[in-house]
Amino acid sequence: GNSVTQMEGPVTLSEEAFLTINCTYTATGYPSLFWYVQYPGEGLQLLLKATKADDKGSNKGFEATYRKETTSFHLEKGSVQVSDSAVYFCALSFDYKLSFGAGTTVTVRA
Amino acid sequence: NAGVTQTPKFRVLKTGQSMTLLCAQDMNHEYMYWYRQDPGMGLRLIHYSVGEGTTAKGEVPDGYNVSRLKKQNFLLGLESAAPSQTSVYFCASSPDSPFGDTQYFGPGTRLTVL
Repeated sequence: GNSVTQMEGPVTLSEEAFLTINCTYTATGYPSLFWYVQYPGEGLQLLLKATKADDKGSNKGFEATYRKETTSFHLEKGSVQVSDSAVYFCALSFDYKLSFGAGTTVTVRA
Repeated sequence: NAGVTQTPKFRVLKTGQSMTLLCAQDMNHEYMYWYRQDPGMGLRLIHYSVGEGTTAKGEVPDGYNVSRLKKQNFLLGLESAAPSQTSVYFCASSPDSPFGDTQYFGPGTRLTVL
């Protein structure tokens, strides 16, 4: 079936540090891949997406590349800010439904 | 444009009580979804709808019912609440288009069943 496995947290970083959150997937066919972010007390927001192999999604300094050969979609940001503290979810889309990873809690300290 | 709204924001129930959660969207989206979020488990799909008058089961449908009588509304019902249904519930919607797999989420309803 379709599933997503992402790096367990929590992750604690200092401001301006480099962030990587690993995400791998199992899927039949060619799903779209997503990163959603959930800020404290809020719903999920789309951070970025990629719809086919080798596509790179980017937004707010975050990037992720759809790697079909390694079935991965790792999230990266070169210099995090306190405002990036949130829970990050990797997800894949099939048949208009989303399958989510467990989420990674990221805390950035000033 | 309010996007996706959910009512209520918080609720406490006793075991065996019933309740209905309301989700409304003003984006004219065809697809709507109900998820539950539990610690360490991400979001799991309860039920979804691909259009007005249609519903389908997701990953964890037991103990829940849904209705989509109007395109803009998607109701989630708990007929006899159980402590295992304590969770945060999110509604989402998406358009029927080539980009239709991007879902837009509401702010959530935190439900506690005692």
